[in-house]
Amino acid sequence: EVQLVESGGGLVQPGGSLRLSCAASGFTVSSNYMNWVRQAPGTGLEWVSVFYSDGRAFYVDSVKGRFTISRDNSKNMLYLQMNSLRVEDTAVYFCARSRSGLEPFDIWGQGTMVTVSS
Amino acid sequence: DIQVTQSPPTLSASVGDRVTITCRASQSVSSYLAWYQQKPGKVPKLLIYKASSLEGGVPSRFSGSGSGTEFTLTISSLQPDDFATYYCQQYHSYWTFGQGTKVEIK
Repeated sequence: EVQLVESGGGLVQPGGSLRLSCAASGFTVSSNYMNWVRQAPGTGLEWVSVFYSDGRAFYVDSVKGRFTISRDNSKNMLYLQMNSLRVEDTAVYFCARSRSGLEPFDIWGQGTMVTVSS
Repeated sequence: DIQVTQSPPTLSASVGDRVTITCRASQSVSSYLAWYQQKPGKVPKLLIYKASSLEGGVPSRFSGSGSGTEFTLTISSLQPDDFATYYCQQYHSYWTFGQGTKVEIK
């Protein structure tokens, strides 16, 4: 079965760090464009970051320099290292697959909640 | 960065109504525009890609049209299962979502 399963969310204080994980099954992470998308409570969807199949990574401006996306091909996993967290980073974080840079997101994980609060 | 604007933010409709949601991009995205449906507490579901192509398993009452900067999602006859929030997404340059349109019961 093709699926994505996120983990690693939780409560963290402002300025803290958290690492999210996304386990893929039924397809190969390294052959696809793997993304993180977030949704703050009661609001819309925001694309956060992508890891291309060729190894390049890109980020939305609001997380540049604070978040780092990576993958482990041997484990078929995607990660998001989040540092210097802010209250406004509070959201459900989804990992999602696109087959290329000119494709929408066809597979989504169930999401993991990140709460940044003191 | 390409911005995407959806309208209306909220739409009240009845079962059987024809519903249209509009999405405008700040610059041309060609036909690289998708539509998603999201229900409360659930994961977004891809409905339409490439502006007008129906994703497998999506009912034919859903249709999309447009190219360049103006796009529409139409539900020809609203069903009880269709009350949800709909998002458009451009994927011509990275990915950007519209703000969403909540379709609620009139």
